Amino acid sequence: QLQLQESGPGLVKPSETLSLTCTVSGGPIDSSSYYWGWIRQPPGKGLEWIGSVYYTGSTFYNPFLKSRLTISVDTSKNQFSLKLSSVSAADTAVYYCARPLRGYSHGGYDSWGQGALVIVSS
Amino acid sequence: EVVLTQSPGTLSLSPGETATLSCRASQSIGNIYLAWYQQTPGRAPRLLIYGASSRATGIPDRFSGSGSGTDFTLTISELEPEDFAVYYCQQYGSSPPYTFGQGTKVDIK
Repeated sequence: QLQLQESGPGLVKPSETLSLTCTVSGGPIDSSSYYWGWIRQPPGKGLEWIGSVYYTGSTFYNPFLKSRLTISVDTSKNQFSLKLSSVSAADTAVYYCARPLRGYSHGGYDSWGQGALVIVSS
Repeated sequence: EVVLTQSPGTLSLSPGETATLSCRASQSIGNIYLAWYQQTPGRAPRLLIYGASSRATGIPDRFSGSGSGTDFTLTISELEPEDFAVYYCQQYGSSPPYTFGQGTKVDIK
């Protein structure tokens, strides 16, 4: 059974870079056709699609975050990662990694990590 | 950006009743790029419906999705206690960002 697990610092200072890693177990990240995604949810608010990555390294970003965002993949470790620079309090959220049910899709996510709360505060 | 507007914001119903949730897109997204999720407090979202009307693995048949173009509906028949939650729609057609609606909370009347 596919499992995803987010990891990274839970507290980041304003203007610094938020870094998270998603470790995938139960299947290879370089299996064909999946775009591995990041989604976030500010406390008490709705969901926001951040971006996704293909095992080849091809990326798809939310245009509103693109200037600060880097998503990468490490197939040797079966991981993909998120870096968001110049963070502010508005970036405080639970960050989820996820995989869609169907290939070549950026939605219909049926496998999710448990979520990682990242607080931006000095 | 495709904006998804969900209505109502909150739906107060009793167990056994039917919930009808709406998701309206600001532009057409076809009928194969719309998903519905259920979220309970402290948990990751759970995929219910993809492709507007296909149930995900293990989802009871009391959950059904319909619609195309700009108007989509999630229907939950005969509400069970575990169905009281927040529901989100997501569009994933065309180009980024692949947006979510703001959510509909189904609570117990």
